[in-house]
Amino acid sequence: SQKIEQNSEALNIQEGKTATLTCNYTNYSPAYLQWYRQDPGRGPVFLLLIRENEKEKRKERLKVTFDTTLKQSLFHITASQPADSATYLCARRASGGSYIPTFGRGTSLIVHP
Amino acid sequence: GAVVSQHPSRVICKSGTSVKIECRSLDFQATTMFWYRQFPKQSLMLMATSNEGSKATYEQGVEKDKFLINHASLTLSTLTVTSAHPEDSSFYICSAREMTVYEQYFGPGTRLTVT
Repeated sequence: SQKIEQNSEALNIQEGKTATLTCNYTNYSPAYLQWYRQDPGRGPVFLLLIRENEKEKRKERLKVTFDTTLKQSLFHITASQPADSATYLCARRASGGSYIPTFGRGTSLIVHP
Repeated sequence: GAVVSQHPSRVICKSGTSVKIECRSLDFQATTMFWYRQFPKQSLMLMATSNEGSKATYEQGVEKDKFLINHASLTLSTLTVTSAHPEDSSFYICSAREMTVYEQYFGPGTRLTVT
């Protein structure tokens, strides 16, 4: 089965530093990897999507990479702020008709002031 | 942007009763809606996919007679947990998708507690 693995341990960093979260997948590369933010007791909010043929995608302070050799995506938040504290979910999605993403457990990010 | 609402946000019910959760797309027509369940510190698990006007497709291991899904209109889907038991206590999240857009928009979730 196609799995998504994220570090279950929380990531604690100081405000202003760059947070880097890791997402590893098994078996064949998905056509897309997606990153979501989820706050406690809330539904996920879509952040970024990166395609298999893209190495990097940016959006404001966010950057996502996709390494098909390592079977890994990295999610970076630069100049992190306490408001960035949340759980970040990685999801894989196939191309074609199977557009339903498979989610990882998420990694909790805690940014300390 | 696309907004999905859920109601109620929290519900507590007694074991053996049924609970209905509503999911609405507020500013777009959702041809497809999805229902997920999430246990603490776990990933979102897809329960079922529903297309407007047709029967829902349930994921393996999800009892369709226990989790009744109705997608009667392009803006509303409901999930009814029938004869709820404490093990059904969880966070239920819906998402919706427009026909021509791959992205799913998630609702805020419903916390169900069965006592």
